[in-house]
Order: sequence, then structure tokens, then C-alpha cells
Amino acid sequence: EVQLVESGGGLVQPGGSLRLSCVASGFTFRSYWMHWVRQAPGRGLVWVSRINSDGSTTTYADSVKGRFTISRDNAKNTLYLQVNGLRAEDTAVYFCARAVDTSIRGVGYWGQGTLVTVSS
Amino acid sequence: QSVLTQPPSASGTPGQWVTISCSGSSSNIGSNSVYWYQQCPGTAPRLLIYSSNQRPSGVPDRFSGSKSGTSASLAISGLRSEDESDYFCAAWDDSLSGVVFGGGTKLTVL
Repeated sequence: EVQLVESGGGLVQPGGSLRLSCVASGFTFRSYWMHWVRQAPGRGLVWVSRINSDGSTTTYADSVKGRFTISRDNAKNTLYLQVNGLRAEDTAVYFCARAVDTSIRGVGYWGQGTLVTVSS
Repeated sequence: QSVLTQPPSASGTPGQWVTISCSGSSSNIGSNSVYWYQQCPGTAPRLLIYSSNQRPSGVPDRFSGSKSGTSASLAISGLRSEDESDYFCAAWDDSLSGVVFGGGTKLTVL
């Protein structure tokens, strides 16, 4: 069974930083593209970033480019999102998600999310 | 303002057939696969459809997807009370080099 467990969220002041983690199990982590998607309270889904299976290729939404960094440690089955320069509009639940399968890169299976609240 | 356009709400009665539309452009739906997700309040989204019309294992065949040009649709047949959820479409956008989502459709089972 695919399991994705996020952690690292919390309350942070504007301009602050956090590192979100997502521990994967139930599949061969190193074979899949991975994504981060966020959802502000009461709002829709917004894609944040994706990374290829070996970590050599990353892509970001314009709204986070230069502030967020996606990375992975395949030895630890863990996906990361370093979030810097946080703004109030970054307040959201951040979901880690796995690609549908090894040849279909789209967002497939989701974790339960971790809440990031940016407020003074 | 979402890149993909969905109606904010839809409704139907138990047993009915309902469809939810998703409108995009040549840079997203027109040239890439469409995905559909179901999200119940307070839970993570669940993949319903990938590659525009494929169902993952475990998704009932009451759910089906289709795509034509720059639009896509999710159809639900034999509507059940447990189908009452938010539904989101998504696709890769070649111009934005990122995944774009629709704003979501809240389905109410009357």
C-alpha cells in the first residue's frame, strides 16, 4: 500500500523558513517522480513543484520559484521541500504526492498533508 | 483565477448520471492528459482518472473521463450519497511548465 507521511509544518513568522518532509513506503520510491501541492484553507489545489526519480530535474510554480527548493533522498525514501521567505499567502496544507506510475508523471497518490501557517 | 475552468457546483439525485466539465486551452488539455481527483472535506485528494480516461484500480466504473479538444469531462453514473465531494481536474501546461488545476466543483447529492 502506498503511504506518504508529511511532517515539518507549523506556525512561522513572515520571512521565516521551514523544511517539510515526506516519508514514503509501500513502493520503490527511487523509481517515481514526486510532487508537492498545496491548498489554502477553503481554497482549491495549487501545484508547487516536482522532482524526477533521481533528483536531477526539478520544476517550480512561478509563485514559489527562488524561495522553495524540492529535493529527495532515495536512500531514506524521503522527499523534502525547503520553504524560505514565507509570506502570508503561503499559508496552506502542503501535500506530498507520488506520480501515477513510473511512466506517468502526473500527480497520482497523495499524503495527508502538513499545515503551514505564516503569521506574526 | 484558475487556469482550468470548472463549474463551482453541480448536483444530482441518487441513481442519476451527472457530468462535470473542465475547460482549458491548447497548452494544457489540448496537448496533455487530464487527471481528475475527488476530495472529501478534511481529507487528501484521491485520484479518480488519469490519462484522460483511465481509472486506477479500486475506483468504481461508475466514474469515467473523456476529453475532446481543449475540454474534458468527468461523468458519474448511478450517483450515490457518498459521491458528495469536491472534484478537481488537472493537466500539465506546456506554456507554464507546471501542473494546472481547475478551481474545483462541489457536487451535492440531493
